[in-house]
Amino acid sequence: EDKVVQSPLSLVVHEGDTVTLNCSYEVTNFRSLLWYKQEKKAPTFLFMLTSSGIEKKSGRLSSILDKKELFSILNITATQTGDSAIYLCAVVTTSGTYKYIFGTGTRLKVLA
Amino acid sequence: KAGVTQTPRYLIKTRGQQVTLSCSPISGHRSVSWYQQTPGQGLQFLFEYFSETQRNKGNFPGRFSGRQFSNSRSEMNVSTLELGDSALYLCASSLSGGRAGNEQFFGPGTRLTVL
Repeated sequence: EDKVVQSPLSLVVHEGDTVTLNCSYEVTNFRSLLWYKQEKKAPTFLFMLTSSGIEKKSGRLSSILDKKELFSILNITATQTGDSAIYLCAVVTTSGTYKYIFGTGTRLKVLA
Repeated sequence: KAGVTQTPRYLIKTRGQQVTLSCSPISGHRSVSWYQQTPGQGLQFLFEYFSETQRNKGNFPGRFSGRQFSNSRSEMNVSTLELGDSALYLCASSLSGGRAGNEQFFGPGTRLTVL
């Protein structure tokens, strides 16, 4: 059975800290890995990763994929209180049609 | 460009009732997926519709059903509600399902409470 596991489940840090969120997966027919940020309701898209070793970067956020070891990390540097959210990782698989398999998320709280 | 809209935003029902949730995708998007989100379970995939056809289905009982109209709007129906159906139901749209990894855009969700 396909599965996506995120760690840690929750994390509390202080403003200015750097955090690393992990997403590991065991799936068949991997196509891509997506990261989302969910603050209140709707998850918002952060990154899509398809190739190993190529870092995607957006401001203080960056992410990289390792298809050999089957994981991805999301880094947030110089955290701010506005980074407090649930970070979701989803793996897209395809066997004719595609499926999005989500992890349970990492709840990040950044204290002022 | 308007985002994904879901109605209603909040809903309270009692056990045994049925409910219909609605989702309007971003204009031009033909794929609509539905998810159930509960604390500790993450997002669980319900089903996906593309061009009015259910193309993919998760592991939910037959009480959960859906449909898609010619304008790509989608509805999800849950019959014989149970307490465990209380959750945030999210809908997501994307351009097409033909190419995996298309970014999905999520709506604000419908918070369903079953008493």
